[in-house]
Amino acid sequence: AQSVAQPEDQVNVAEGNPLTVKCTYSVSGNPYLFWYVQYPNRGLQFLLKYITGDNLVKGSYGFEAEFNKSQTSFHLKKPSALVSDSALYFCAVSGEGSASKIIFGSGTRLSIRP
Amino acid sequence: EAGVAQSPRYKIIEKRQSVAFWCNPISGHATLYWYQQILGQGPKLLIQFQNNGVVDDSQLPKDRFSAERLKGVDSTLKIQPAKLEDSAVYLCASSVGTSNFGTNEKLFFGSGTQLSVL
Repeated sequence: AQSVAQPEDQVNVAEGNPLTVKCTYSVSGNPYLFWYVQYPNRGLQFLLKYITGDNLVKGSYGFEAEFNKSQTSFHLKKPSALVSDSALYFCAVSGEGSASKIIFGSGTRLSIRP
Repeated sequence: EAGVAQSPRYKIIEKRQSVAFWCNPISGHATLYWYQQILGQGPKLLIQFQNNGVVDDSQLPKDRFSAERLKGVDSTLKIQPAKLEDSAVYLCASSVGTSNFGTNEKLFFGSGTQLSVL
């Protein structure tokens, strides 16, 4: 069975500092991994995805994520946080084949203080 | 490019009443998803369509929820009768759907319908 965990409900970071939002997953076979962001009263927006290849994936708004197969993790990172990055972030996982489906984590609220 | 359209934006009903939500995906997208997002939780997949066929409805409470995508384009999700625990945001998403039933593809989400059941 697939699962995804976001161990932190909230992450607080000062503007200009690096940020990390954690995600671990469980799936049979090769994983497909995603990060989405949700701003207030808006639908989810795609940030980036890992399908195969380079373990470091670059996405929108300066975000990147590192796939670590041995630790089954896909942490979201940004070298220098902006106040406008404050939002709800969701990690998602799926797998290969028709039996798989896209499963979302419970979300991490990122708060960037000026 | 027009995004995923959903209506209504908000709906308030009493328990045991029925309600319907509508979704129009991005033109040409073969795969359509309905997710339920309860406050403080991540989205939970209710049903996934590939064109007008159901790919996955394993988490759809079929005794009260139904969904259809008759012509492989827009879709409706219905709840009848509604319960208090159905209060949530109902999100529709679509993807191109050309491979692996969309599981490796970017999803495009609508703004959602916020349902309050009193």
